[in-house]
Amino acid sequence: RKEVEQDPGPFNVPEGATVAFNCTYSNSASQSFFWYRQDCRKEPKLLMSVYSSGNEDGRFTAQLNRASQYISLLIRDSKLSDSATYLCVEASGGSYIPTFGRGTSLIVHP
Amino acid sequence: NAGVMQNPRHLVRRRGQEARLRCSPMKGHSHVYWYRQLPEEGLKFMVYLQKENIIDESGMPKERFSAEFPKEGPSILRIQQVVRGDSAAYFCASSPATGEAFFGQGTRLTVV
Repeated sequence: RKEVEQDPGPFNVPEGATVAFNCTYSNSASQSFFWYRQDCRKEPKLLMSVYSSGNEDGRFTAQLNRASQYISLLIRDSKLSDSATYLCVEASGGSYIPTFGRGTSLIVHP
Repeated sequence: NAGVMQNPRHLVRRRGQEARLRCSPMKGHSHVYWYRQLPEEGLKFMVYLQKENIIDESGMPKERFSAEFPKEGPSILRIQQVVRGDSAAYFCASSPATGEAFFGQGTRLTVV
């Protein structure tokens, strides 16, 4: 199965900081991309889809670079509640199975 | 509109017993995925089903594991003759077609 690679971190940042995660994918046929958030011992929850033109949702911005096969997530003005593991996901045509990266751990401290 | 429902939330089995995990997808969702997550590990794809069909089971161990999604009722992940290495969190996700997948709260299987 095609791979999705993420830096596991942890990224340790103070409240109010801006932090960015990158994720690379190996399947050039990937069609859909997502960021999920997973809190400790909980289920993954969809954070946002990633569109070719990039998209923003409040403090979160996601971007896709097809030429270099990576997607990014930018979090501005970090909150304590942003502490979690962020999972990068790609899904390709055909059987369309969401493939997850191992996640990047974010710790926001006071 | 209820979310993805998984039960039981916690399951304890002795080695050699069978484990049955259930997943009811969100209303209107016809695609079901099962994932396994070991402690400190990522989500590993196991199987992708649609009603009465297994679409892709490339992530399923060849022995002891099976899955179904019948015409009526929930999707079932069955693990026969469980071993300690089967202890993990098993997550089910559903999606309407090609699009975002939504997860249930998972079943935490402990084999003693």
